[in-house]
Order: sequence, then structure tokens, then C-alpha cells
Amino acid sequence: QSVLTQPPSVSAAPGQKVTISCSGSSSNIGNDFVSWYRHLPGTAPKLLIYENNKRPSGIPDRFSGSKSGTSATLGITGLQTGDEADYYCGTWDSSLSAWVFGGGTKVTVL
Amino acid sequence: EVQLVESGGGLVQPGGSLRLSCATSGFTFSTYWMSWVRQAPGKGLEWVATIKQDGSEMYYVDSVKGRFTISRDNAKNSLYLQMSSLRAEDTAVFYCVGKIRGPDSYWGQGTLVTVSS
Repeated sequence: QSVLTQPPSVSAAPGQKVTISCSGSSSNIGNDFVSWYRHLPGTAPKLLIYENNKRPSGIPDRFSGSKSGTSATLGITGLQTGDEADYYCGTWDSSLSAWVFGGGTKVTVL
Repeated sequence: EVQLVESGGGLVQPGGSLRLSCATSGFTFSTYWMSWVRQAPGKGLEWVATIKQDGSEMYYVDSVKGRFTISRDNAKNSLYLQMSSLRAEDTAVFYCVGKIRGPDSYWGQGTLVTVSS
């Protein structure tokens, strides 16, 4: 049971948009910035979004992040087959003194 | 080019010990918070431990407190994870991570630790 709650899976057709939610509490999302990662098992995870809505260099603007209260959202537009992967949110939890990840969301391109 | 190369994984019996190493290059290691993150088979990412730039602060997930110790050698640009009293549930791929929250977040390819008799 993860501290941060994500839907297990989302799917959409190529070119469409998906959003992934990440729900937390006042001790984590409500108190700190949220990061988002993409991970293909067997490879190194990759940072997509930091500080809620900022993209590292090299990350296309098809990826966006937002935060409101104790929830955050990752959006992916213009979906491509290469976007199929697991996506995780993460932030610091001040009550646990621990970094916490969501349970992960598998994105499927139909 | 940034590189993080983990080593030290392998098969260990329950109750045993293992030391993971992460050799880094291509970024200023001494200025980075460093972390270990793991992924058990069929599970999601799980943060394990984090250490401050100068080694003065360390944080651990509850399940490894008292069993794992994170450390670093800034002169060697290397990160370590000493693991003891290993359990079957510690079986996972362990990733070395530089600055987990970004923006310059770097991850290694991982090393597999299998705890089994």
C-alpha cells in the first residue's frame, strides 16, 4: 500500500492524451514539490517532471505536470507507442522523513 | 557523459550481508544528494535510503532501518549500501540515484540482489 495513490493503468489511442493522477496528503504532496518518472523495467528510470511542473532539458513539452492541494497530475499529449511504460510520482513525506513513490501507472497505447 | 555504475549485487542467503557500490562520473558528485531506490520483482519503485552531500545526514525507509547503511566517498565519487540481515523481501534491482527530485536527476542501470537459500 503506497503512501501516494495512482491508478494502476491508463490507456488511449495514438495521438490522444492521457492523464495520471497522484493523490497524497498534507505531509507529502501538500507540503513539497512533486516529481514524475518514466520507467521501463530493466532500464534506468528517467525524470520527466520536477517541482510539480518543470521539465528537465530534453523532455518534450508533450509531458506536463500540475499540482493542486494534496494531488498532482501528469499529462501526456500526442501519445506515441514509445510512451508505453510505467509512470511514478514521488515526493518527500515530512511525517515519515522519507521519499515516497506512488504505486505506478502503466500507460498502454491502444 | 554522466555515468552511474552499480556493482556488488548477487545471490545471498537469508540473514547474509552484501555491499553495493555505485561508481559515478560526469557530474560533481560531492554536490549531490545521493540515494538508493529498489524495485522488487513485479512491484513498483521503492525508495531505500538517501545521504546528504557531506554524509552528515542519512535517511532510510522503515523496513531497512538498523539493517542497511548508506555511505559515500566523495574523493572516489562513489556511493555505497551496506546490507545485512537480508531477507527474501529484499530481493530487488537496486538503483543508484543522484538528486532524486531533480532537475539534474541521474539514475544507474541497477544491480540485482537475490536473497534466497
